[in-house]
Amino acid sequence: AQKITQTQPGMFVQEKEAVTLDCTYDTSDPSYGLFWYKQPSSGEMIFLIYQGSYDQQNATEGRYSLNFQKARKSANLVISASQLGDSAMYFCAMRRNTGGFKTIFGAGTRLFVKA
Amino acid sequence: DGGITQSPKYLFRKEGQNVTLSCEQNLNHDAMYWYRQDPGQGLRLIYYSQIVNDFQKGDIAEGYSVSREKKESFPLTVTSAQKNPTAFYLCASSGPPRNQPQHFGDGTRLSIL
Repeated sequence: AQKITQTQPGMFVQEKEAVTLDCTYDTSDPSYGLFWYKQPSSGEMIFLIYQGSYDQQNATEGRYSLNFQKARKSANLVISASQLGDSAMYFCAMRRNTGGFKTIFGAGTRLFVKA
Repeated sequence: DGGITQSPKYLFRKEGQNVTLSCEQNLNHDAMYWYRQDPGQGLRLIYYSQIVNDFQKGDIAEGYSVSREKKESFPLTVTSAQKNPTAFYLCASSGPPRNQPQHFGDGTRLSIL
């Protein structure tokens, strides 16, 4: 069965510093994708970054990078140079690439950026 | 503009009543999903559908039902069997290639009267 675990319910970071949000996953599928989304208080879901299970390099998108360690089944999100607007809930998600594209989410981490 | 439309934005349910949440997409995506989000919690998968006339149960399907008669539409019915329906419901869709993220609607907030 698929499972996503985010062990940090809440995190604080000082503005302009970097922060790492943890995500571990469990799956028996050989092919899968990992996604990170941001959810501000408005409730919308904003896609941040994607990592495929066969990708050799860690994904990067602007200030977001994904520290993908396949053997450890972890896909941590690194946000560099934090901004006040980064304060939000962050969700890690996993999609299987066979059998219906089932996509599940972790419980989320609430990030607070301090001025 | 392509996107996902959920309606209504707010919905109230009386005891013993079934209510239906609408989800329509014009992105030509094959896969569609329904999630439930409780306050301060993550998204839990209710149902998902890969193609028309086919859908699978997610992790919390009890008390819910869906249909997928058209590619564009994936309505969710919250039945009277769902004893704790108060939550934020999000509909999403996704299409190829594999690295494409899900697109989400703006959500429906359901409350019990």
